[in-house]
Amino acid sequence: AQKITQTQPGMFVQEKEAVTLDCTYDTSDQSYGLFWYKQPSSGEMIFLIYQGSYDEQNATEGRYSLNFQKARKSANLVISASQLGDSAMYFCAMREPLNTGGFKTIFGAGTRLFVKA
Amino acid sequence: DAGVIQSPRHEVTEMGQEVTLRCKPISGHNSLFWYRQTMMRGLELLIYFNNNVPIDDSGMPEDRFSAKMPNASFSTLKIQPSEPRDSAVYFCASSFSDRYLAKNIQYFGAGTRLSVL
Repeated sequence: AQKITQTQPGMFVQEKEAVTLDCTYDTSDQSYGLFWYKQPSSGEMIFLIYQGSYDEQNATEGRYSLNFQKARKSANLVISASQLGDSAMYFCAMREPLNTGGFKTIFGAGTRLFVKA
Repeated sequence: DAGVIQSPRHEVTEMGQEVTLRCKPISGHNSLFWYRQTMMRGLELLIYFNNNVPIDDSGMPEDRFSAKMPNASFSTLKIQPSEPRDSAVYFCASSFSDRYLAKNIQYFGAGTRLSVL
């Protein structure tokens, strides 16, 4: 079963508009973390935003915000005022504890965002 | 502050040859991760170390792959013998991991693009 599901393989958004990238997750743990990463065409993986499972407020980092709905197990990324430089692949990831005492991070398949001028 | 440093950035080799990928994590980080990214399989965790000790190597494809972390500032991923299906981008990431702090943001290196002919 997929632990992290990103249902939108590709999305288009007009420059300066807001866009929401969907992410749902599956875990039975109470303590976990959710992350979003950006991968531009140059290939590097850039950390964007983090949400802890116990955080009551939605995380925000500049133009990025995370719409965290715990009961629905969703952690959607909202990018406000899109810019051409936002065109990239976006990955949702979840970190959950292992029985061994360590942690495991699982990545979704990604959503490719295209920002139109 | 320097980020995660990987070398080489690109590697082209012939089937059957030994390949060694190198990684220097961020100073002060105690966890190190090796990932492989392909179009077909997305981003897969191969192995991760905590305090230089391998914690989870369940993602290592087969015995041809091995990883070491002789000290806190250096890790290698070795493929011997290499095969064309090993062609991928290999990422190293590091984080400061505290089992009580789920945040543990992973910071990625620029990746090594491996082509096995």
